[in-house]
Amino acid sequence: EDQVTQSPEALRLQEGESSSLNCSYTVSGLRGLFWYRQDPGKGPEFLFTLYSAGEEKEKERLKATLTKKESFLHITAPKPEDSATYLCAGGYGGSQGNLIFGKGTKLSVKP
Amino acid sequence: GAVVSQHPSWVICKSGTSVKIECRSLDFQATTMFWYRQFPKQSLMLMATSNEGSKATYEQGVEKDKFLINHASLTLSTLTVTSAHPEDSSFYICSAPRGPGMNTEAFFGQGTRLTVV
Repeated sequence: EDQVTQSPEALRLQEGESSSLNCSYTVSGLRGLFWYRQDPGKGPEFLFTLYSAGEEKEKERLKATLTKKESFLHITAPKPEDSATYLCAGGYGGSQGNLIFGKGTKLSVKP
Repeated sequence: GAVVSQHPSWVICKSGTSVKIECRSLDFQATTMFWYRQFPKQSLMLMATSNEGSKATYEQGVEKDKFLINHASLTLSTLTVTSAHPEDSSFYICSAPRGPGMNTEAFFGQGTRLTVV
C-alpha cells in the first residue's frame, strides 16, 4: 500500500537551532516528491518538487533532499516565522491531483 | 503570482442542510481543479477532480451524490455538501495547477472549515 510517513510529528527548536524533518515514502510509480508549508487554518503553500534520488533544492533557510526511500527538509538557523506545519506528498498516477500526503510535522521556533 | 481563492473560510450549518463552497483561480485559467478533505490530525485526502465542462471524477469511497461538484467556467469550481451530517465536518481544500505539466506547481485555496451541528 502506498504511504507517506513524516517524523517527528512535532518539533520545537530555538531560533538558530538547525534541524531536519523526515519524510519516508512508499509510492508506486513516484513521479515527484512535493514539500508544502501549511499555516494554521490555511491551505498548503508549495515549497519544492524533487524528481530523482540525489536531487537537492534550496529556498532561503530550507533545503530539501531526496533518496529512493526518504526525503529530508533541512532547516538552517530557523527563525520564528518558519513556524508552521510542513507537509510532504508523493505524486503518483496520471493526474496532477494524485498526491499522497503525510500527516505533517508541526515546527515551532522559539525566539 | 497565481492565487486560488476559496470561500467561505468557515461555515456552521445544521444537520440535513446543504453547503456550497467556491474555489476560484484569480489570475489564471484552471481546466482542472482538485478537492481535498482533511480531518483533524489526519492527512489531506483527495476527494475528487473537477473538470471544466464535464463531469467530476471521484475517488473511491467518496459519494458523488453527496458531494456535488460543478466546474462551469475556467476559473470557478464549486463543491456542494448535500444533506450534511456531523461526520462531514472537516477542512475542505481546493487546488488548481497553474499549467498542464504533470508536476506543475499546484496552488491551494485557503480552505473551508465546515462544522455540522
